[in-house]
Amino acid sequence: GNSVTQMEGPVTLSEEAFLTINCTYTATGYPSLFWYVQYPGEGLQLLLKATKADDKGSNKGFEATYRKETTSFHLEKGSVQVSDSAVYFCALVGRFSGGYNKLIFGAGTRLAVHP
Amino acid sequence: DVKVTQSSRYLVKRTGEKVFLECVQDMDHENMFWYRQDPGLGLRLIYFSYDVKMKEKGDIPEGYSVSREKKERFSLILESASTNQTSMYLCANGDQYGYTFGSGTRLTVV
Repeated sequence: GNSVTQMEGPVTLSEEAFLTINCTYTATGYPSLFWYVQYPGEGLQLLLKATKADDKGSNKGFEATYRKETTSFHLEKGSVQVSDSAVYFCALVGRFSGGYNKLIFGAGTRLAVHP
Repeated sequence: DVKVTQSSRYLVKRTGEKVFLECVQDMDHENMFWYRQDPGLGLRLIYFSYDVKMKEKGDIPEGYSVSREKKERFSLILESASTNQTSMYLCANGDQYGYTFGSGTRLTVV
């Protein structure tokens, strides 16, 4: 079936360290891929997205490239800040049975950045 | 920007009560969704709707129902609240280009 698998957390980093959060997916067809971020006590916010193979989504210094050959959409940031501490969710949208679009989430990865 | 508003941030209800969680969008999106979020389980889809008076079950519909009488409003109903429905509930709207989420309602059933 359709699913998203992302690395388990928590990920603990020092400020200015390099971040990678791995995400792989299983889907039929050509899904759109997303990263969402949830700061403490808040709802989910769209961080970045990519709608076709080889697209790179980017926002606030975060990047992710849609790799169809490896079915991956890894999130990266060159230098994290304390304010990046949050839970990050990888997700996909595709057309499933019945013709509906559904957003399928990974389990989420908690990132903690220390000064 | 699309705005999705959930009427309550925090709710405390008693076991057996009928509970209504309201969600309102300020755009003309057809698609609306209800998720619940629990530690270790991520986000799970409860119900979704692609048009007025239309609803589809998600992955965990048991114990819930929904109502969509108007395009901008999508309500989640707990017919008889139970303690295992204590959770964070998130409403969203959108399509294959992205979803917008509300701030969430943290429901505690005692």
